[in-house]
Amino acid sequence: QKEVEQDPGPLSVPEGAIVSLNCTYSNSAFQYFMWYRQYSRKGPELLMYTYSSGNKEDGRFTAQVDKSSKYISLFIRDSQPSDSATYLCAMRNRGSTLGRLYFGRGTQLTVWP
Amino acid sequence: SAVISQKPSRDICQRGTSLTIQCQVDSQVTMMFWYRQQPGQSLTLIATANQGSEATYESGFVIDKFPISRPNLTFSTLTVSNMSPEDSSIYLCSVARAQTPEAFFGQGTRLTVV
Repeated sequence: QKEVEQDPGPLSVPEGAIVSLNCTYSNSAFQYFMWYRQYSRKGPELLMYTYSSGNKEDGRFTAQVDKSSKYISLFIRDSQPSDSATYLCAMRNRGSTLGRLYFGRGTQLTVWP
Repeated sequence: SAVISQKPSRDICQRGTSLTIQCQVDSQVTMMFWYRQQPGQSLTLIATANQGSEATYESGFVIDKFPISRPNLTFSTLTVSNMSPEDSSIYLCSVARAQTPEAFFGQGTRLTVV
């Protein structure tokens, strides 16, 4: 079993839709949870991160962490064609090497006008 | 954040040859990493580049195949040696600082071995 599982999609939605992206994980020691966005032929770009359980909002993006279920989500409101990209979840535990992350496979999202 | 310059951005190489990828950061960072990203797969950590000492390799990756240097706190290189078509992938440099848990990535090097 991989430590981080993420449905690769692809996911295709119309402009303005609410998008829900999800990851599950098996390592209960994970404490930091991140979402990266990767456009085609570009490196991953950090969108946001959360520590432990709870919600975090940044503009149209909301990240949720449910440690009891080992489940994290990223919601995108009012999705735009410019949101079309691959979204990667990543996580690390507090005691692990600084910056050493465990990634999901990424979900490919297309928002059509 | 950090501004990371990775060179080359892409290359097509003959099998049996070697390619060195450079990663330059705009300011000092604590940690530098090298990842490989194959189509449809998650990012796989190759190694942690340690400043002034040998890199720490993940299971399945060896120094002879992927020698890494990190002469200072802002620069690292990854060499892909004796390349085969199976080495065709995207190679990514990543950095982290002691004060924050996030990691930041370069634009990647898209390598094709023919």
